[in-house]
Amino acid sequence: NAGVTQTPKFRVLKTGQSMTLLCAQDMNHEYMYWYRQDPGMGLRLIHYSVGEGTTAKGEVPDGYNVSRLKKQNFLLGLESAAPSQTSVYFCASSYPLYRYQETQYFGPGTRLLVL
Amino acid sequence: QQQVKQSPQSLIVQKGGISIINCAYENTAFDYFPWYQQFPGKGPALLIAIRPDVSEKKEGRFTISFNKSAKQFSLHIMDSQPGDSATYFCAANFMNTGFQKLVFGTGTRLLVSP
Repeated sequence: NAGVTQTPKFRVLKTGQSMTLLCAQDMNHEYMYWYRQDPGMGLRLIHYSVGEGTTAKGEVPDGYNVSRLKKQNFLLGLESAAPSQTSVYFCASSYPLYRYQETQYFGPGTRLLVL
Repeated sequence: QQQVKQSPQSLIVQKGGISIINCAYENTAFDYFPWYQQFPGKGPALLIAIRPDVSEKKEGRFTISFNKSAKQFSLHIMDSQPGDSATYFCAANFMNTGFQKLVFGTGTRLLVSP
């Protein structure tokens, strides 16, 4: 199993450009998440999905959109990139939660620089 | 308050020493407290976790101590090794509109010197 994979690994954008980050998991997980990681701020939830075709906003959703057309894929889109979106983006997935068994499996991250 | 406060921000420990990272929370609805370990250039990975009805959990050199009344929990790394050098995140789980979410602390960068 590859686990959770993310593409691309690194990207440089100019302000106003758009891009899509792809996350794929081969563990048949129902739940998927997108986080951003910034120095001194930990991991902040952008959007999440509890199943194919469903998405919801997390803590910092502004400027991002997501889609979950297939169970194994979760896409994060930036329609008009801003320098404030320079960050490292992590995708994660997990099983439907059974109490006390929440484990999120993270991808290797995408480093995004917006100039 | 859906925050988890983590300290210190960074920590340097000599090989063989004890590393201690502390976290505190306010929301009594949190019901599960995992720690994630992240190596440079990698995604976080679950290290160890504790339920609020347990005061301590030990896995090898890693121990979580949990104080429910004080709303605090901590990670202790015994006999710290250079391979333990990583960033550690505490987290807390809670139910929100039928979905369980994790709230992460801000992270502690641990460096274990040889």
